[in-house]
Parts: sequence; C-alpha cells; structure tokens
Amino acid sequence: QKEVEQDPGPLSVPEGAIVSLNCTYSNSAFQYFMWYRQYSRKGPELLMYTYSSGNKEDGRFTAQVDKSSKYISLFIRDSQPSDSATYLCAMSRSGGYQKVTFGTGTKLQVIP
Amino acid sequence: EADIYQTPRYLVIGTGKKITLECSQTMGHDKMYWYQQDPGMELHLIHYSYGVNSTEKGDLSSESTVSRIRTEHFPLTLESARPSHTSQYLCASSDSWPSSGNTIYFGEGSWLTVV
Repeated sequence: QKEVEQDPGPLSVPEGAIVSLNCTYSNSAFQYFMWYRQYSRKGPELLMYTYSSGNKEDGRFTAQVDKSSKYISLFIRDSQPSDSATYLCAMSRSGGYQKVTFGTGTKLQVIP
Repeated sequence: EADIYQTPRYLVIGTGKKITLECSQTMGHDKMYWYQQDPGMELHLIHYSYGVNSTEKGDLSSESTVSRIRTEHFPLTLESARPSHTSQYLCASSDSWPSSGNTIYFGEGSWLTVV
C-alpha cells in the first residue's frame, strides 16, 4: 500500500468552477503538507504548504489538512484555463532530513 | 521564480552510451536532489546532497551516480545507458530540509530516451 494516495483523474471542469483535489495518507507522523502544480513538460512548483492541521488560504487557493482522517485537500475557486495542470500532493515528517513523499498527481483540465 | 537549470532538456541516446545530466542553481542552496518521474507516477528520490562533497542515495535504487564538487553544481551520470533508464529526471534544491518547512525548487527536467 502506498503511503500517499491520490486520484490520478483526469478531472475536467468548466471555467469558473470550484475544484476540489484530495489526497489520503497512511503515515500519522507526517507533519508538513504541500501542494505542487506541474505544467506539462515542466518541473513542479510549490503552491501551498501547511504545517499540521488546519486551513491555509492564498488567493483562489485553499489548502486543508485533517490529520484525524489523514486527508488533505486543495480547493481552487473561480478556476481558470491557466489552472490546467497536474497537481501533486506531498508530505513529510518533521526534523532533520526527512524524505518528501509525493502523490502521483491529479491532472486537471479547465475548459473555457 | 526558481533559478535552477537543467541541460539537456531532451536527449535521445543509444544503449551503452555514457551520459551526464547537468544541474546548476544560483540560489546558494546547500541541499540538492535528483528525482525520477515516469508518466503518471509519483516522483522518486534517487540522490541527494547535504552540501559540497556529500552525496547520498535516495529511496529508489538507481544505477546513476552524482557528484557535488561545487555548491551550485550537481551533475548526474549514467555510465552505460539502457532502455530501462528512459524517464524524466528532475533536479531540485532547497535552502534547508523540506521537513523544516523549506521549499523545494525544481528545474524543468531532463527527458531521457534510450534506444
């Protein structure tokens, strides 16, 4: 069983829709939770990161972490065609060198 | 925007050839990484470095080798390429360990095809 599970999609939504992207994980020691966006043929870029549980908002993006359910989400409001990309969740334990475990990514397409 | 550069971006090479994928960063980061990513699959860490003259193997076994002679440079070498090495290789760096909440910055990737 993978430590991090992510629905690969693809997910197609109309422009302006609210998008919900999710990951589940099995390792309760994870403390840092990240979302990366990866455009085709490019490297991932960090969108959001949160420490432990709670919500974090940045513009149209909101990250939520529910450690009790081992479940994290990324919400995109007023989705735009430029949001079309693959979204990777990632997480790590805290302290010193700890590897970052990535999900497989969810491919999102926002249709104009 | 991250200042981390990879060359070549795309490479098609014959079996048995030696290749080096170059990676340079201008941010002065101590920590550098190489990830391997196949289409639709998660990123796998194959090598990382604490700093100059330090290299460690990652989670995914790889026949490649790395070196870190200068802070800004972290090349990856395959002595004898095989079709199984066909993949995307992503170089990355961070100021400190990601487990302390530090961002990993990725290059744009090197797409390697071994025929």
